[in-house]
Amino acid sequence: GAVVSQHPSRVICKSGTSVKIECRSLDFQATTMFWYRQFPKKSLMLMATSNEGSKATYEQGVEKDKFLINHASLTLSTLTVTSAHPEDSSFYICSAVRAGGLNEQFFGPGTRLTVL
Amino acid sequence: AQSVSQHNHHVILSEAASLELGCNYSYGGTVNLFWYVQYPGQHLQLLLKYFSGDPLVKGIKGFEAEFIKSKFSFNLRKPSVQWSDTAEYFCAVNINTGTASKLTFGTGTRLQVTL
Repeated sequence: GAVVSQHPSRVICKSGTSVKIECRSLDFQATTMFWYRQFPKKSLMLMATSNEGSKATYEQGVEKDKFLINHASLTLSTLTVTSAHPEDSSFYICSAVRAGGLNEQFFGPGTRLTVL
Repeated sequence: AQSVSQHNHHVILSEAASLELGCNYSYGGTVNLFWYVQYPGQHLQLLLKYFSGDPLVKGIKGFEAEFIKSKFSFNLRKPSVQWSDTAEYFCAVNINTGTASKLTFGTGTRLQVTL
């Protein structure tokens, strides 16, 4: 159990367009999901905390209008990169915490975004 | 706010050598501790975790870690590494609360195992 999926796994888009990434907890409900960004050969940087039914909490330095997060249900959170630019190219990873479970995050496989 | 330090950035070992990767955290309260592994081109996988109880934690693939509270450390060990252990290793910590709390990751240690 505790499987998290992300879709798409890879996406290439043109500069100026928006891209939506989905994060789903497949076999459990998650009141809290997290979004991370990982640069090549670097560690994970937390972007925001997504709580079901409420606004996301963004980390310092992360533009909330650029990285829109929606957590509409207990199994789905979406990250939309708006007006993407080449510097937004990165590996985006989500994680989910089981509702009522231990404080442990289960990670998705990540989405590789390339902005041309 | 908590922080995590991994002092070894790049470690090169021969097969069968013993491994110890350092991890120290800074936070005055109760924490949960994790080690994750990321194989080349793959996603993050949990190696082991500590929430409470026995400070010596055994994980998958022969890895173990020891939580030493007085030293704020959670070092990862494996008695005999294999070539397939070549990967990036991340230590992470979150605050032990009743609800989900954000993970703070170390900068990672790249392990290269040579034949």
